[in-house]
Amino acid sequence: GAGVSQSPRYKVAKRGQDVALRCDPISGHVSLFWYQQALGQGPEFLTYFQNEAQLDKSGLPSDRFFAERPEGSVSTLKIQRTQQEDSAVYLCASSLGAEETQYFGPGTRLLVL
Amino acid sequence: KNQVEQSPQSLIILEGKNCTLQCNYTVSPFSNLRWYKQDTGRGPVSLTIMTFSENTKSNGRYTATLDADTKQSSLHITASQLSDSASYICVVKAGTGGFKTIFGAGTRLFVKA
Repeated sequence: GAGVSQSPRYKVAKRGQDVALRCDPISGHVSLFWYQQALGQGPEFLTYFQNEAQLDKSGLPSDRFFAERPEGSVSTLKIQRTQQEDSAVYLCASSLGAEETQYFGPGTRLLVL
Repeated sequence: KNQVEQSPQSLIILEGKNCTLQCNYTVSPFSNLRWYKQDTGRGPVSLTIMTFSENTKSNGRYTATLDADTKQSSLHITASQLSDSASYICVVKAGTGGFKTIFGAGTRLFVKA
C-alpha cells in the first residue's frame, strides 16, 4: 500500500476485555515498531520486529501485552485484561531497516472504560 | 536515566515569523537524533536525522542543529506557514545496539494568521 495502515482507528473496551490492534506496514519493509502514546506525551517504544522475529520487547509494560508478526508482514498487538491505564494511542511504524526512516501509521486510539 | 527534554512545551507565532524549538538529551552513548512533525490525529513524520558528526541538517524551511558535546539540538522553522501548526518531537537513539528510541514530549506549535 501507499503507507502504513492501522485498524481499528478507534477502540472502546470495557476494563478486563481483550483487544487486538492490527498494523499493515509498507510492503517490503523489514522493520516494524510498536509505540504507545499517552495524551500530550511523545510515543514510547514497545517492541521491534525484524521480519517475523521479535528482536526487542523491552518496552512492553506487562505480560498482558503481546505482539506478533507471524509472516513478517502484518503485525498484531494484543492487550489482555485491559486496564484504564492502557488508554492511549498505539502507533505502528515500519522502515526498510532498523536505522532507516520510520513511517508511522495513523494510530489506534484505545479507550478503556 | 536516558531522557529527552523539549522546550517550550507550546508556542504561538504569527504566520511568516521564524521560531526555534529546543531539545536537550541525556541519552548515552548517542547514535542519532531525529526531529518529527506530528499533525493532530496522525502519526509522526520524519523531518531530519543527524548523527554524531553532523552539526546542521536542512529540509526546506526546517533546519536542525546538533551539539553533541552539550547534548543539545534545535529545530529552526523559517517563514512559518499555517500548515506548520503541529507537534514537533525530538527523538534520540542510543548507541547500545538495541532498537529502542526515546521520544521527547514534543513542542506544540500554533501558527496564527
